[in-house]
Amino acid sequence: DIQMTQSPSSLSASVGDRVTITCRASQSITSYLTWYQGKPGRAPKVLIYSASTLQSGVPSRFRGSGSGTDFTLTISSLQVEDFATYYCQQSYSTPYTFGQGTNLEIK
Amino acid sequence: QVQLQESGPGLVKPSQTLSLTCTVSGGSISSAAYYWSWIRHHPGKGLEWIGYIYYSGTTDYNPSLQSRLTISVDTSKNQFSLRLSSVTAADTAVYYCARVSRYNWNYCDSWGQGTLVTVSS
Repeated sequence: DIQMTQSPSSLSASVGDRVTITCRASQSITSYLTWYQGKPGRAPKVLIYSASTLQSGVPSRFRGSGSGTDFTLTISSLQVEDFATYYCQQSYSTPYTFGQGTNLEIK
Repeated sequence: QVQLQESGPGLVKPSQTLSLTCTVSGGSISSAAYYWSWIRHHPGKGLEWIGYIYYSGTTDYNPSLQSRLTISVDTSKNQFSLRLSSVTAADTAVYYCARVSRYNWNYCDSWGQGTLVTVSS
């Protein structure tokens, strides 16, 4: 199985801050990387797919980059609604695997 | 706009079989463009991919669950189902069904709202 490692596991930030979350794959997954936003009681929301393509309807302050084994999700100016848990997932080979999540909290 | 909805018992006894169904509306489960997947979220932990099925019946399971897992599809009802046998407390989770885009990076582009299944006597 491909292991996905996210960092940090938790992060405190303020509204308006710029934050970056990283995700590392245990082997190359080219660009088969998706970022999701999770909130309690809701289905995960797709933010970015193919490492850098913004899902329709997602604000442009979300940006994904990377390829191969190293990926980043950047939120350029945090809004209140962005405080949530973020997950990366590889879909290069089954079993598709997720990172352990990054909990983004209000400072 | 496709919608997915999970249904099934919220409480299952240890050693019994967990059964869930996902009903797809607003799109055909027989589309060649998609796989139909199950994913779960353990309380306080991360997400785990369970497996998926194609409308033809072809499946791909997580090896960690394969011995206990069956995913099936009913194209006449536009539904697919999950059966997980010999459950333990470790199978307590929110279970999601999701659509996987085969021709677009295999990402889960639509999700159900999720259903909590608790394994307890």
